[in-house]
Amino acid sequence: KAGVTQTPRYLIKTRGQQVTLSCSPISGHRSVSWYQQTPGQGLQFLFEYFSETQRNKGNFPGRFSGRQFSNSRSEMNVSTLELGDSALYLCASSPRGEESGYTFGSGTRLTVV
Amino acid sequence: EDKVVQSPLSLVVHEGDTVTLNCSYEVTNFRSLLWYKQEKKAPTFLFMLTSSGIEKKSGRLSSILDKKELFSILNITATQTGDSAIYLCAVEGGTSYGKLTFGQGTILTVHP
Repeated sequence: KAGVTQTPRYLIKTRGQQVTLSCSPISGHRSVSWYQQTPGQGLQFLFEYFSETQRNKGNFPGRFSGRQFSNSRSEMNVSTLELGDSALYLCASSPRGEESGYTFGSGTRLTVV
Repeated sequence: EDKVVQSPLSLVVHEGDTVTLNCSYEVTNFRSLLWYKQEKKAPTFLFMLTSSGIEKKSGRLSSILDKKELFSILNITATQTGDSAIYLCAVEGGTSYGKLTFGQGTILTVHP
């Protein structure tokens, strides 16, 4: 059974640019959530999607957005990149997004220069 | 606001030692507590705990939850160098679906 797949694995962008990251969940999982991991702040919740609807959003600026497609694949977008956006971005999939466990992908390492 | 605190933040032991990692939490409408191991990138799932006092075991790892005192422990017996990793505790609760609140993690280093 394939795990959670995130692409690309690594990304280098310049300040002011925008970036799109992709997450393909485990087959049958309808919930996809996104996290930002930095050495200083640890893992912080960005947002969660279930059946193409955003159900929950963390405390991040509006530059961070996402969406989910009918096949449950999800994308997150960061516009007007700042140096502080450099982080490991992880997505997690779950059958229904509550009390059913979450499986994480290997993440996308974003570096903003 | 949900809060998860792990201790110690780092731990250095030798192979064969037994370690206990702690996780305390404050969350409204608690639903579950999860433990993950993170070595390189992807946190890998260890345990999900929902009921107090029921120990979950997997090989040399075990974990238990105390919902009255709001904490959980993760025990690793007969540690091996392959146990070196960051151990993350997360809670799921409130009215928020699909959201885990993580602790800072415990960095475990096991020397040969």
